[in-house]
Amino acid sequence: DGGITQSPKYLFRKEGQNVTLSCEQNLNHDAMYWYRQDPGQGLRLIYYSQIVNDFQKGDIAEGYSVSREKKESFPLTVTSAQKNPTAFYLCASSISRGEQYFGPGTRLTVT
Amino acid sequence: SQQGEEDPQALSIQEGENATMNCSYKTSINNLQWYRQNSGRGLVHLILIRSNEREKHSGRLRVTLDTSKKSSSLLITASRAADTASYFCATDSANSGYALNFGKGTSLLVTP
Repeated sequence: DGGITQSPKYLFRKEGQNVTLSCEQNLNHDAMYWYRQDPGQGLRLIYYSQIVNDFQKGDIAEGYSVSREKKESFPLTVTSAQKNPTAFYLCASSISRGEQYFGPGTRLTVT
Repeated sequence: SQQGEEDPQALSIQEGENATMNCSYKTSINNLQWYRQNSGRGLVHLILIRSNEREKHSGRLRVTLDTSKKSSSLLITASRAADTASYFCATDSANSGYALNFGKGTSLLVTP
């Protein structure tokens, strides 16, 4: 099956710990994205990558880091510097300026 | 920044009725897209309309775009209970590569 996967579906962490969210796609898409969604809100862009070994900050990059060592993978690390990390995190990929394909999301709870 | 703003925030209708959602945006765009999200899930792409298009259809979906008013509408005809979801419009941004700016969405409830 072609698609985009995120793991885990639910993640619980203690405050002060870094946590890495996985995002993998087998669609052969060049571009990948990370969004954050808070209850009752739209999606806000954290980071995006248009090509391997290159990525750019989105609107709310502070407290997050990413890497893009492989075309298929775009992991997101939520660091202890992120003041309010509890949220629903969505990863997406696309060929170009068009339709984005979304993963099922990871719900992160930090206590 | 969130460029798109959907209206209304919530909409409740009965099966068989039509549902219309509106989206306004602030800056010029290349294209505008509509997505659907079921509760707690990822987003699913519904339709993309380019800035030089005025109307587009896909099954029971009809999207219009008025670039002079910087607005778009999504019409779902003959709604079904399975259409219950949140609907988001998204615009591309010249400053963010291919990334999208999403609105806060319209929550649609279709009752049998």
